[in-house]
Amino acid sequence: TQLLEQSPQFLSIQEGENLTVYCNSSSVFSSLQWYRQEPGEGPVLLVTVVTGGEVKKLKRLTFQFGDARKDSSLHITAAQPGDTGLYLCAGYRSGTYKYIFGTGTRLKVLA
Amino acid sequence: AAGVIQSPRHLIKEKRETATLKCYPIPRHDTVYWYQQGPGQDPQFLISFYEKMQSDKGSIPDRFSAQQFSDYHSELNMSSLELGDSALYFCASSFLLGTGSYEQYFGPGTRLTVT
Repeated sequence: TQLLEQSPQFLSIQEGENLTVYCNSSSVFSSLQWYRQEPGEGPVLLVTVVTGGEVKKLKRLTFQFGDARKDSSLHITAAQPGDTGLYLCAGYRSGTYKYIFGTGTRLKVLA
Repeated sequence: AAGVIQSPRHLIKEKRETATLKCYPIPRHDTVYWYQQGPGQDPQFLISFYEKMQSDKGSIPDRFSAQQFSDYHSELNMSSLELGDSALYFCASSFLLGTGSYEQYFGPGTRLTVT
């Protein structure tokens, strides 16, 4: 059973469009991280959100942690071809020493 | 800034051989994780170590073992390799945030090909 569901799984958009990726769970996480991964490379950490309702911005990327800390979203404004990649959310639960990864969203931004 | 170091970056082995992957975590990070990522899949958690002690275990086959040494580097030992073990293997390390949560950073990975 996948504890973290991401949607959509695949997304192909034109440069300049906006998009939102969702990461949902029935479990509560003490923190949640978003990564971007290029083929054959390690995931690169984009952001860590910890507090329910928290919003963090990283240039054109806006991350939000749900009030109940069960879900999160990533919004990209004016997408660029350089945003192309696999986006992964990963939740951490207190009392464990592991992260649960989402199913991933493969984004392709066309020039 | 220092990052997680993994070696080797690429490894080719034959079936039934043994492989050892090494990981050097970011200095002062207290937890090390190992993941396996197959083509088109998200990373699957294998095992983690906190302060050199095994702290959590995921879907790690019995043929695999891992340990963390006194200098905090970790090794993943894989025996009786099977074709299905071909994958990217990532090591990650994390540190405790002031909020009580951890922040995890990944290494560049080792691509293992079993022929």
